[in-house]
Amino acid sequence: GIQVEQSPPDLILQEGANSTLRCNFSDSVNNLQWFHQNPWGQLINLFYIPSGTKQNGRLSATTVATERYSLLYISSSQTTDSGVYFCAVEGRRGGADGLTFGKGTHLIIQP
Amino acid sequence: DTGVSQNPRHKITKRGQNVTFRCDPISEHNRLYWYRQTLGQGPEFLTYFQNEAQLEKSRLLSDRFSAERPKGSFSTLEIQRTEQGDSAMYLCASSSTGGLREKLFFGSGTQLSVL
Repeated sequence: GIQVEQSPPDLILQEGANSTLRCNFSDSVNNLQWFHQNPWGQLINLFYIPSGTKQNGRLSATTVATERYSLLYISSSQTTDSGVYFCAVEGRRGGADGLTFGKGTHLIIQP
Repeated sequence: DTGVSQNPRHKITKRGQNVTFRCDPISEHNRLYWYRQTLGQGPEFLTYFQNEAQLEKSRLLSDRFSAERPKGSFSTLEIQRTEQGDSAMYLCASSSTGGLREKLFFGSGTQLSVL
């Protein structure tokens, strides 16, 4: 099945800093989504972005499908941004795998 | 609240017992998914329904696991003869049909502990 690698695995920043999270995938995709799992375990969908660029407030994401990577940008970080950020993809080849998640980037924003 | 609802939030059971979890998706969503998440890992796909039809099952899904969505609304996930390795967070998600699969919305999950 498709492989998803996220980097960095851990990131500690001060409030107000900017960050870039990366997701590499091993095959062509027809579905790519970014999620934030807060410290209470709730998964929040941030973006559906199989290609192109989207922005939502302080967050933006870019997927370069031809080069098989996606980036999530967080600007002016707040403590509420802490948690785990997951990239999830579904390959164009299909198969009974659903969305495949990476292992996530654990982000800690310190006040 | 029109989000995805899961019950119970926590379940503690003894090895060998059967357990059943329920998921109520967002009402206008016709697609429903079950995932499993263990500590430090991303969610792992288990199975997927479109309306009442179960269209995909993970190759990793043991035959002790069964899921239903009888009327195309809520879904149940049953685990028979539970094992300690089944301890995990079980997550339900839903989405609507689009030309492509659209955004997934997750419930808060059911945390299963098998003693």
